[in-house]
Amino acid sequence: ETGVTQTPRHLVMGMTNKKSLKCEQHLGHNAMYWYKQSAKKPLELMFVYNFKEQTENNSVPSRFSPECPNSSHLFLHLHTLQPEDSALYLCASSQSTGGMVGYGYTFGSGTRLTVV
Amino acid sequence: AQKVTQAQTEISVVEKEDVTLDCVYETRDTTYYLFWYKQPPSGELVFLIRRNSFDEQNEISGRYSWNFQKSTSSFNFTITASQVVDSAVYFCALSEAPSGGSNYKLTFGKGTLLTVNP
Repeated sequence: ETGVTQTPRHLVMGMTNKKSLKCEQHLGHNAMYWYKQSAKKPLELMFVYNFKEQTENNSVPSRFSPECPNSSHLFLHLHTLQPEDSALYLCASSQSTGGMVGYGYTFGSGTRLTVV
Repeated sequence: AQKVTQAQTEISVVEKEDVTLDCVYETRDTTYYLFWYKQPPSGELVFLIRRNSFDEQNEISGRYSWNFQKSTSSFNFTITASQVVDSAVYFCALSEAPSGGSNYKLTFGKGTLLTVNP
């Protein structure tokens, strides 16, 4: 149990579908992140949330829509995706204030997304 | 801007061999943190170690050891007597101290795929 839970683990969706990825952390962290990991590419930071507020959008296309209702939950809403969006989507959390700052991120197991 | 380079894309060794994974970083900050993560086939990134820029002591944890050298901006990772279960992608990462209330952000290298053959 990593403390960061992502669902679903695998998702296959058509280009016209709408789906959502869910991330939940039980670590009391106040920052949450979405990363994209494509084959043969480095991990790409997509979004950063700090105390429920989005603090960074790394030029992500609008077909990806994040939502952070509270510090423990993070969603990534997907609509009209393209086949090149197929990747592993990783959620992470961290402490952004206080003595635990700089202790790195805790990652979930990821959602393997295939767009057909 | 911060940058992490893992020049080795793939390494293949036979069980019980020692293997070193290289990591070179670039940063303008004097305060920063370096990390190693392991990504097994299951997908999650597992935290292995964190080192801050003021602590250049090398560290050993079981079969794992890390060599941090600020003079060469390197933070190399050695697995002694490798095992099949060590097969994974290993990522080196860098985080600079945030400023202005921003978050720590991890910058990852491209990763090194380590395959340990029986």
